[in-house]
Amino acid sequence: NAGVTQTPKFQVLKTGQSMTLQCAQDMNHNSMYWYRQDPGMGLRLIYYSASEGTTDKGEVPNGYNVSRLNKREFSLRLESAAPSQTSVYFCASSEGGQRRGYTFGSGTRLTVV
Amino acid sequence: SQQGEEDPQALSIQEGENATMNCSYKTSINNLQWYRQNSGRGLVHLILIRSNEREKHSGRLRVTLDTSKKSSSLLITASRAADTASYFCATDPRSKDSNYQLIWGAGTKLIIKP
Repeated sequence: NAGVTQTPKFQVLKTGQSMTLQCAQDMNHNSMYWYRQDPGMGLRLIYYSASEGTTDKGEVPNGYNVSRLNKREFSLRLESAAPSQTSVYFCASSEGGQRRGYTFGSGTRLTVV
Repeated sequence: SQQGEEDPQALSIQEGENATMNCSYKTSINNLQWYRQNSGRGLVHLILIRSNEREKHSGRLRVTLDTSKKSSSLLITASRAADTASYFCATDPRSKDSNYQLIWGAGTKLIIKP
C-alpha cells in the first residue's frame, strides 16, 4: 500500500533555479493538495486540486505553479527558487475534500541557498 | 490564517500516564480532525469528529468536541514511547469561502519519557 508518494525526499537549490516536486497517489482519490510546513507553524496550503482537471490557489501560492497531470499525479513547480521557499513540502490526497481525512506523503525537505 | 490553536505547545509525561491536548478554533465548523506527525515524517490522520458529535473513540484515543466553546480535546490513555510525536488539529470551516481548505493549528509536541 504505497498511499501518497513524493519525490525527491531532499533537495538543495541555488537561488533562481527551478525544480518540480512530484506527487502520486494510488487510492483513486479525487482531491490532492500541496502544503508547506515551516518551524513553529501549522501547515499552509499552497495549491489544491479538487478533482482531475482543476487546480486552485491556496493560502500561499506566490512563487509556485501546479499541474494535475491525471487523477494520480499532482506536481508542484518552483520556477525561480528563493530562500523564503526553504521549507518541508507535503502532498496530500483525500476522497471527499475536507469532509474526510487526508493521506499525506512523507515530504520533501527543500533548502534554497 | 490559523484557526486552530493547540494547547499546550509542548507536553512531556511519563510512559503509562494519560496525555491531554486541546484545540481551540474561531469559526463554525463542519468537522475537526486530529493528526499525528512523527519526527521527519508526514502527517497521519487519527480521527475526525463532526460538528454534531460530542465524543469519539479510537483505540487509546478519545476526542471530545464542544462547539459552544469552540474547542476540542485529544486524550491519549496509557501513553507509550511510540506516541512521542507532534499532534495537530485541523478544522473544516463552515464558510462558503473555505472550499477544500482545512485550517491547521501549529501543533502540540508530545514527549513520552520511558
